[in-house]
Parts: sequence; C-alpha cells; structure tokens
Amino acid sequence: AQSVSQHNHHVILSEAASLELGCNYSYGGTVNLFWYVQYPGQHLQLLLKYFSGDPLVKGIKGFEAEFIKSKFSFNLRKPSVQWSDTAEYFCAVIQFYFGTGTSLTVIP
Amino acid sequence: GAVVSQHPSRVICKSGTSVKIECRSLDFQATTMFWYRQFPKKSLMLMATSNEGSKATYEQGVEKDKFLINHASLTLSTLTVTSAHPEDSSFYICSALDRGGGYTFGSGTRLTVV
Repeated sequence: AQSVSQHNHHVILSEAASLELGCNYSYGGTVNLFWYVQYPGQHLQLLLKYFSGDPLVKGIKGFEAEFIKSKFSFNLRKPSVQWSDTAEYFCAVIQFYFGTGTSLTVIP
Repeated sequence: GAVVSQHPSRVICKSGTSVKIECRSLDFQATTMFWYRQFPKKSLMLMATSNEGSKATYEQGVEKDKFLINHASLTLSTLTVTSAHPEDSSFYICSALDRGGGYTFGSGTRLTVV
C-alpha cells in the first residue's frame, strides 16, 4: 500500500539552526516526490520536487531535499532557518499521497 | 505564475443542504484538477481526479454520489457536497496541473455543516 511517513510532527528551532525533516515513503511504482509548505493562513505552495536525475534537489528559499532510493527517503533540509520559515511542511509522493505534515516553529 | 482560485473560502450550511465549491485556473487551462480533503492535524486526502469533459475518477472510499464533481470547462471544476452532514465538515482543497508540469493549489474551502 502507498504511504508517506513524516516522523517529526512538531519541530521547534531557533533562528540560524539547521533543519532536517524526515520523509519516508512506500510506493510500488516510479516515484515523483514533492515537498510543499503551508504558511499560516495561506495555501499550499511547492517547495521542490524530484522526478529524476540528480537526487539532490534544490528548491525555493534555500531548501533542498535528497532522494535516497535505498532508504525510500526524501528528507528536507535547510542549513539556517529563519523566523519566516515557520509553517507546516508536507511531503508527497506522485502528488496524490501526502504525509501528515510537520509543523515547524522558528523562534527569533 | 499559475494561479488557482477557489471559492468560497468559507461556507456554513445547514444539515441536509448541498454546497458547491468552485475551483478555477485563472491564467492557464487545466485539463486535470484534483480535489482533496484535509482533516484537522491530518494529511491531505485525495478524493478524486477531475478530467475536463469526462467523469471524475474517485478514490476508494469516497462516495461519488455524495461528492459530485463537474469539470465542464478547461478552467473550472466544481465539487458539490450533496445532502451535507456535520461529518462532512472539513477543509476542501483543489489543485490543478499547470502548463509547467507542476501542481498549483487553491486556497481551500472551510466547510462547516451545522
């Protein structure tokens, strides 16, 4: 069965700290992987996506994610978070299957 | 960039009535749109895939007679929640496949059935 697991439900960081949000998936076919962000009161926005090629994908606002096929993972990273990164982050497989989300709070 | 407009953003209706939610692609044509439901503190759940000019494809467990989807034009898909009940209260979101191959989301509709 298809599933997406995000291990961290709520993460609290201080500004300038490094971020890594975990995402593991279970899917039998060719995967297209996505990370979306939802800022408070706003709709979902695409951060980055992986379809094929270089497994290290760079997205907007300094985010990147690495696809590790052997681990069925697509973790999101950012070297130095800002207060404005406070949001809900969702990992998705082939657009249809979403993780439960990780709420990130960045403390100034 | 691509914009998807969803209307209304909030709606309160009485139990037993029907509610229509619209999803429009404003600056591009969308042959395929998707409807999701988001429960509190839960993930988005794909309800159905809406294809212009043909019947929608519903995910397992989604009642097609309760959640009517119409994709009558290349810029508009509608979701009608028929005979709504309190358990249908939720956040409904649409997305569309845009011309760049990405998926653009609407801002969502908060439905409250009283």
